Amino acid sequence: NAGVTQTPKFQVLKTGQSMTLQCAQDMNHNSMYWYRQDPGMGLRLIYYSASEGTTDKGEVPNGYNVSRLNKREFSLRLESAAPSQTSVYFCASRVEASYEQYFGPGTRLTVT
Amino acid sequence: GQQLNQSPQSMFIQEGEDVSMNCTSSSIFNTWLWYKQDPGEGPVLLIALYKAGELTSNGRLTAQFGITRKDSFLNISASIPSDVGIYFCAGPPILQGAQKLVFGQGTRLTINP
Repeated sequence: NAGVTQTPKFQVLKTGQSMTLQCAQDMNHNSMYWYRQDPGMGLRLIYYSASEGTTDKGEVPNGYNVSRLNKREFSLRLESAAPSQTSVYFCASRVEASYEQYFGPGTRLTVT
Repeated sequence: GQQLNQSPQSMFIQEGEDVSMNCTSSSIFNTWLWYKQDPGEGPVLLIALYKAGELTSNGRLTAQFGITRKDSFLNISASIPSDVGIYFCAGPPILQGAQKLVFGQGTRLTINP
């Protein structure tokens, strides 16, 4: 079991470029999440998906889009990257009938 | 939005010392989760608490769910170098539903050998 995997691990973008962060889980979880982590801010929820085919906004959704491709995969897209989106991005999935979330290793994104 | 306040924000201790940190909220939680994040890695779940007053251990780590349901505590006994990292508390505010967690800002633990 790989758990939650994320690609890429590092990425540098120029302002205005677009990219998609990929996330997959092999634990058969219904719910998946995207967070960003900035120094001193803890983890903030960008979007989540309660099940295949559904997505909902979190605390900081502006500038992002998501796609729940199937039960395993949940991608995060930056259409036009901005320096304010420089951050570490984590994907997570949630154990059924529980609040426990399990995290991937993260993607470190720098926008110049 | 809902905030969790962790204290202290950072700790510098000697190897072998015990560590205590806490997390408080202005609203009631029905679950508390404690995570540890190693440098360059994602958070890893350490302990989950489900009932007010509950005391749960995981090796040298012990966590407690506060009686008021607005706080939680994490203790680490006899610290070792691999305890270095950032510790986060998290939970679903009772009015927010099961889908979302809110996280504290973290307690950064540094250990001098």
